[in-house]
Amino acid sequence: SQQGEEDPQALSIQEGENATMNCSYKTSINNLQWYRQNSGRGLVHLILIRSNEREKHSGRLRVTLDTSKKSSSLLITASRAADTASYFCATDGGSNYQLIWGAGTKLIIKP
Amino acid sequence: GAGVSQSPRYKVAKRGQDVALRCDPISGHVSLFWYQQALGQGPEFLTYFQNEAQLDKSGLPSDRFFAERPEGSVSTLKIQRTQQEDSAVYLCASRLAGVRTGELFFGEGSRLTVL
Repeated sequence: SQQGEEDPQALSIQEGENATMNCSYKTSINNLQWYRQNSGRGLVHLILIRSNEREKHSGRLRVTLDTSKKSSSLLITASRAADTASYFCATDGGSNYQLIWGAGTKLIIKP
Repeated sequence: GAGVSQSPRYKVAKRGQDVALRCDPISGHVSLFWYQQALGQGPEFLTYFQNEAQLDKSGLPSDRFFAERPEGSVSTLKIQRTQQEDSAVYLCASRLAGVRTGELFFGEGSRLTVL
């Protein structure tokens, strides 16, 4: 079963615009991660945010975490065609090893 | 190798055939995971190894699915008597640490099509 739920399911924007994706989860967590998956490829880790952090930046990525609402958002600024991919959030649900995944947001950047 | 390697990348099997999917994780990585991913969905957990020990196989859909990692490095996912519902991408991922969740490194996946 999947804990994380991303919304929107699909997002199409113009190159240069910002893209925001959201993730909600159900149980308490130690950390939350975001991954990117290009079509037909494996997943690539983008960023990890711990439960005691509220915001984290990595290049054009900004992640926020609100543990009271059990939600996180991923913002990609100044989007590029190469950002076209599916984006997944994954939570540990307090587990020592397992990640629980959402169904992902499919992002399309139009040139 | 530099990354997680999976083979074959594509496999077409006739219903009832047995298949074996291989995963070569990053050298030294303790944790190894197998996931099943249906089209348009996120990865679904199948099984977890810590070194050679299979600590969790709760996600394996049926007793036709079997995974092993005998020497704590390369892992094989075997599916016996394949069915059409087994068609999916099978992802392998490894992590340096044995406990505590952290960054997973994924292979490119093995796409299985059962006719």
